[in-house]
Amino acid sequence: DAKTTQPPSMDCAEGRAANLPCNHSTISGNEYVYWYRQIHSQGPQYIIHGLKNNETNEMASLIITEDRKSSTLILPHATLRDTAVYYCIVRVRTNAGKSTFGDGTTLTVKP
Amino acid sequence: GAGVSQSPSNKVTEKGKDVELRCDPISGHTALYWYRQSLGQGLEFLIYFQGNSAPDKSGLPSDRFSAERTGGSVSTLTIQRTQQEDSAVYLCASSLAVELYNEQFFGPGTRLTVL
Repeated sequence: DAKTTQPPSMDCAEGRAANLPCNHSTISGNEYVYWYRQIHSQGPQYIIHGLKNNETNEMASLIITEDRKSSTLILPHATLRDTAVYYCIVRVRTNAGKSTFGDGTTLTVKP
Repeated sequence: GAGVSQSPSNKVTEKGKDVELRCDPISGHTALYWYRQSLGQGLEFLIYFQGNSAPDKSGLPSDRFSAERTGGSVSTLTIQRTQQEDSAVYLCASSLAVELYNEQFFGPGTRLTVL
Protein backbone atom coordinates (compact mmCIF):
# COMPACT_ATOMS: atom_id res chain seq x y z
CA ASP A 1 0.00 0.00 0.00
CA ALA A 2 1.15 3.52 -0.74
CA LYS A 3 1.94 5.60 2.33
CA THR A 4 -0.54 8.32 3.27
CA THR A 5 -0.09 11.44 5.35
CA GLN A 6 -2.97 13.10 7.19
CA PRO A 7 -3.06 15.89 9.75
CA PRO A 8 -3.56 14.42 13.22
CA SER A 9 -6.52 16.63 14.08
CA MET A 10 -8.94 19.21 12.70
CA ASP A 11 -11.87 21.23 13.99
CA CYS A 12 -14.98 22.23 12.06
CA ALA A 13 -18.01 24.31 12.97
CA GLU A 14 -21.35 22.55 12.86
CA GLY A 15 -23.15 23.16 9.57
CA ARG A 16 -19.99 24.12 7.73
CA ALA A 17 -18.09 21.98 5.24
CA ALA A 18 -15.32 19.81 6.63
CA ASN A 19 -12.39 19.37 4.24
CA LEU A 20 -10.02 16.59 5.24
CA PRO A 21 -6.76 16.38 3.26
CA CYS A 22 -4.65 13.36 2.50
CA ASN A 23 -1.26 13.19 0.78
CA HIS A 24 -0.31 10.05 -1.11
CA SER A 25 2.57 11.11 -3.30
CA THR A 26 3.78 7.53 -3.94
CA ILE A 27 0.43 6.28 -5.23
CA SER A 28 0.70 3.97 -8.20
CA GLY A 29 -1.59 3.81 -11.20
CA ASN A 30 -3.75 0.91 -10.03
CA GLU A 31 -4.21 2.08 -6.45
CA TYR A 32 -7.51 3.50 -5.26
CA VAL A 33 -8.09 6.09 -2.55
CA TYR A 34 -10.46 4.90 0.20
CA TRP A 35 -11.88 6.78 3.14
CA TYR A 36 -13.22 5.25 6.33
CA ARG A 37 -14.21 6.82 9.62
CA GLN A 38 -14.39 5.48 13.13
CA ILE A 39 -16.72 7.03 15.63
CA HIS A 40 -15.65 6.52 19.23
CA SER A 41 -16.24 2.98 20.49
CA GLN A 42 -17.58 1.79 17.14
CA GLY A 43 -16.06 -0.20 14.26
CA PRO A 44 -14.84 1.71 11.20
CA GLN A 45 -17.37 2.73 8.59
CA TYR A 46 -16.69 2.85 4.86
CA ILE A 47 -17.33 6.31 3.39
CA ILE A 48 -16.23 6.54 -0.22
CA HIS A 49 -13.51 5.58 -2.68
CA GLY A 50 -12.14 6.70 -6.03
CA LEU A 51 -9.43 6.09 -8.60
CA LYS A 52 -8.93 9.32 -10.51
CA ASN A 53 -12.30 11.00 -10.94
CA ASN A 54 -14.05 12.93 -8.24
CA GLU A 55 -16.76 10.95 -6.50
CA THR A 56 -19.86 11.85 -4.52
CA ASN A 57 -22.30 9.81 -2.50
CA GLU A 58 -24.86 10.47 0.19
CA MET A 59 -22.19 10.80 2.84
CA ALA A 60 -19.38 12.78 1.25
CA SER A 61 -17.45 13.94 -1.79
CA LEU A 62 -13.95 12.86 -2.73
CA ILE A 63 -11.75 15.22 -4.72
CA ILE A 64 -8.59 13.69 -6.19
CA THR A 65 -5.96 15.95 -7.73
CA GLU A 66 -5.08 15.46 -11.38
CA ASP A 67 -1.65 14.01 -10.50
CA ARG A 68 -3.39 11.79 -7.88
CA LYS A 69 -0.81 12.68 -5.26
CA SER A 70 -3.37 14.08 -2.88
CA SER A 71 -7.07 14.03 -2.18
CA THR A 72 -9.66 15.75 -0.03
CA LEU A 73 -12.69 14.27 1.65
CA ILE A 74 -15.50 16.79 1.93
CA LEU A 75 -18.38 16.53 4.36
CA PRO A 76 -20.62 19.29 2.99
CA HIS A 77 -22.60 20.12 6.15
CA ALA A 78 -20.84 18.67 9.16
CA THR A 79 -22.91 17.66 12.16
CA LEU A 80 -21.85 16.79 15.69
CA ARG A 81 -22.30 13.11 14.79
CA ASP A 82 -19.53 13.45 12.20
CA THR A 83 -16.98 13.77 15.00
CA ALA A 84 -14.71 10.77 14.38
CA VAL A 85 -11.29 9.61 13.24
CA TYR A 86 -11.10 9.69 9.45
CA TYR A 87 -8.74 7.29 7.70
CA CYS A 88 -7.37 7.76 4.20
CA ILE A 89 -6.12 4.50 2.70
CA VAL A 90 -4.48 3.89 -0.65
CA ARG A 91 -4.31 0.38 -2.07
CA VAL A 92 -5.05 -1.76 -5.05
CA ARG A 93 -8.65 -2.83 -5.15
CA THR A 94 -8.15 -6.58 -5.11
CA ASN A 95 -5.26 -7.04 -2.72
CA ALA A 96 -6.40 -7.48 0.86
CA GLY A 97 -2.92 -8.19 2.14
CA LYS A 98 -1.62 -6.89 5.43
CA SER A 99 -3.29 -3.53 5.12
CA THR A 100 -3.45 -1.09 7.97
CA PHE A 101 -5.51 2.03 8.52
CA GLY A 102 -2.79 4.34 9.84
CA ASP A 103 -3.41 7.03 12.46
CA GLY A 104 -6.02 9.10 10.59
CA THR A 105 -7.34 12.60 11.30
CA THR A 106 -9.44 13.24 14.37
CA LEU A 107 -12.21 15.58 13.23
CA THR A 108 -14.04 17.43 15.97
CA VAL A 109 -17.25 19.17 14.93
CA LYS A 110 -18.08 21.98 17.34
CA PRO A 111 -21.47 23.61 17.92
CA GLY B 1 -28.32 -10.90 10.35
CA ALA B 2 -28.44 -7.21 9.69
CA GLY B 3 -24.77 -6.62 10.42
CA VAL B 4 -21.55 -8.16 11.61
CA SER B 5 -21.82 -9.38 15.17
CA GLN B 6 -19.06 -10.24 17.59
CA SER B 7 -19.02 -11.95 20.94
CA PRO B 8 -18.27 -11.40 23.68
CA SER B 9 -18.41 -7.62 23.65
CA ASN B 10 -16.02 -7.52 26.60
CA LYS B 11 -13.61 -10.12 27.90
CA VAL B 12 -11.41 -9.84 30.95
CA THR B 13 -8.93 -12.64 31.44
CA GLU B 14 -5.85 -13.44 33.43
CA LYS B 15 -2.41 -13.57 31.90
CA GLY B 16 -1.66 -17.03 30.59
CA LYS B 17 -5.24 -18.03 29.91
CA ASP B 18 -6.61 -18.83 26.44
CA VAL B 19 -9.45 -16.81 24.91
CA GLU B 20 -11.74 -17.30 21.93
CA LEU B 21 -13.33 -14.42 20.11
CA ARG B 22 -16.22 -15.02 17.75
CA CYS B 23 -17.35 -13.22 14.62
CA ASP B 24 -20.58 -13.70 12.69
CA PRO B 25 -20.30 -11.96 9.31
CA ILE B 26 -23.12 -10.58 7.24
CA SER B 27 -24.97 -13.41 5.55
CA GLY B 28 -23.62 -14.01 2.05
CA HIS B 29 -20.29 -12.27 2.64
CA THR B 30 -17.52 -14.60 1.57
CA ALA B 31 -14.63 -12.50 2.85
CA LEU B 32 -13.94 -11.98 6.53
CA TYR B 33 -11.22 -9.93 8.22
CA TRP B 34 -9.77 -9.60 11.70
CA TYR B 35 -8.10 -6.46 13.04
CA ARG B 36 -7.03 -5.24 16.41
CA GLN B 37 -6.85 -1.75 17.77
CA SER B 38 -4.84 -0.89 20.82
CA LEU B 39 -5.83 2.12 22.91
CA GLY B 40 -5.29 5.33 20.94
CA GLN B 41 -3.79 3.49 17.99
CA GLY B 42 -4.85 2.81 14.43
CA LEU B 43 -6.14 -0.50 13.17
CA GLU B 44 -3.72 -3.39 12.81
CA PHE B 45 -4.64 -5.98 10.22
CA LEU B 46 -4.35 -9.57 11.46
CA ILE B 47 -5.76 -12.00 8.92
CA TYR B 48 -8.43 -12.40 6.28
CA PHE B 49 -10.47 -15.32 5.01
CA GLN B 50 -11.77 -15.98 1.55
CA GLY B 51 -14.36 -18.66 2.22
CA ASN B 52 -12.80 -20.95 4.79
CA SER B 53 -9.23 -20.42 3.75
CA ALA B 54 -6.73 -17.85 5.01
CA PRO B 55 -4.19 -17.22 2.24
CA ASP B 56 -1.84 -15.15 4.39
CA LYS B 57 -1.37 -15.63 8.11
CA SER B 58 1.77 -13.54 8.43
CA GLY B 59 -0.16 -10.61 9.93
CA LEU B 60 -0.82 -12.56 13.10
CA PRO B 61 1.44 -11.06 15.81
CA SER B 62 2.74 -14.37 17.17
CA ASP B 63 2.16 -18.11 17.07
CA ARG B 64 -0.12 -17.72 20.08
CA PHE B 65 -2.69 -16.30 17.69
CA SER B 66 -4.75 -18.50 15.39
CA ALA B 67 -7.99 -18.13 13.49
CA GLU B 68 -10.36 -20.41 11.73
CA ARG B 69 -13.53 -20.13 9.77
CA THR B 70 -15.99 -22.92 9.19
CA GLY B 71 -18.89 -23.26 6.79
CA GLY B 72 -17.88 -20.02 5.11
CA SER B 73 -19.54 -18.16 7.93
CA VAL B 74 -18.55 -17.91 11.59
CA SER B 75 -14.92 -17.24 12.44
CA THR B 76 -13.06 -17.71 15.71
CA LEU B 77 -9.89 -15.90 16.70
CA THR B 78 -8.03 -17.76 19.43
CA ILE B 79 -5.29 -16.30 21.58
CA GLN B 80 -3.37 -18.79 23.65
CA ARG B 81 -1.43 -17.98 26.81
CA THR B 82 -2.61 -14.36 26.74
CA GLN B 83 -0.19 -11.58 27.61
CA GLN B 84 -0.94 -8.06 28.82
CA GLU B 85 0.16 -6.63 25.46
CA ASP B 86 -2.71 -8.56 23.85
CA SER B 87 -5.16 -6.15 25.49
CA ALA B 88 -6.95 -4.35 22.68
CA VAL B 89 -10.23 -4.13 20.82
CA TYR B 90 -10.47 -6.94 18.30
CA LEU B 91 -12.56 -6.00 15.27
CA CYS B 92 -14.05 -8.26 12.66
CA ALA B 93 -15.29 -7.14 9.26
CA SER B 94 -16.79 -8.78 6.20
CA SER B 95 -17.30 -7.97 2.56
CA LEU B 96 -19.15 -9.58 -0.30
CA ALA B 97 -15.86 -10.80 -1.74
CA VAL B 98 -12.17 -10.22 -1.27
CA GLU B 99 -12.22 -8.18 -4.50
CA LEU B 100 -14.55 -5.80 -2.67
CA TYR B 101 -12.55 -5.85 0.55
CA ASN B 102 -12.40 -2.08 0.69
CA GLU B 103 -16.15 -1.91 1.16
CA GLN B 104 -16.01 -3.72 4.46
CA PHE B 105 -18.64 -3.71 7.15
CA PHE B 106 -17.27 -3.82 10.66
CA GLY B 107 -18.63 -5.38 13.80
CA PRO B 108 -18.73 -3.62 17.17
CA GLY B 109 -15.56 -5.34 18.36
CA THR B 110 -14.54 -7.34 21.39
CA ARG B 111 -12.66 -5.44 24.08
CA LEU B 112 -10.06 -7.80 25.54
CA THR B 113 -8.38 -6.95 28.81
CA VAL B 114 -5.57 -9.16 30.05
CA LEU B 115 -4.79 -8.64 33.72
